[in-house]
Amino acid sequence: GENVEQHPSTLSVQEGDSAVIKCTYSDSASNYFPWYKQELGKRPQLIIDIRSNVGEKKDQRIAVTLNKTAKHFSLHITETQPEDSAVYFCAASSNNDMRFGAGTRLTVKP
Amino acid sequence: KAGVTQTPRYLIKTRGQQVTLSCSPISGHRSVSWYQQTPGQGLQFLFEYFSETQRNKGNFPGRFSGRQFSNSRSEMNVSTLELGDSALYLCASSERVSGYGEAFFGQGTRLTVV
Repeated sequence: GENVEQHPSTLSVQEGDSAVIKCTYSDSASNYFPWYKQELGKRPQLIIDIRSNVGEKKDQRIAVTLNKTAKHFSLHITETQPEDSAVYFCAASSNNDMRFGAGTRLTVKP
Repeated sequence: KAGVTQTPRYLIKTRGQQVTLSCSPISGHRSVSWYQQTPGQGLQFLFEYFSETQRNKGNFPGRFSGRQFSNSRSEMNVSTLELGDSALYLCASSERVSGYGEAFFGQGTRLTVV
């Protein structure tokens, strides 16, 4: 099955800086890569996703890039704000079998 | 539409007991996936049910089992509880099979085994 590794496990940035979270996956057949944000005490919620036929996708301050050859994808958050503080999970889906990374705890310091 | 509902929200059990958790998906969603969340371990996949059939299963012992009913509601059962089973158990529903599109999570059931 699919195996997803996520780095770093914790990330601390100053408000206004950019944050980058990276994930690698093992199954070259994976074709769907969502990112979820989980605020403290709340449920994970989808913030952005990308499919394997696209290399990059942006939504306001967040973007995701996908390198199929290297089997890695990244989440980029620009102009970070304190409300971006949360745990972020990447996931990869192969044959409609979705697996998550271990999560990155992002702290944005005001 | 109502969101994904999990019951109960909190549960305290003793080692050796068994427990059943419930997940009601969003109306019209046929896929329900279960995850165990522990600090540092992320979201570990337990299993997925689609139209009452188990599609996939993660690397958990046979003490963890589940089922899905005709109305898409799903239950997860853990028998012979161990201290290490203490975790937040999340379910997620989606219209189609997992990995095809957005999964909507419930708020989870926090299980504490003492």
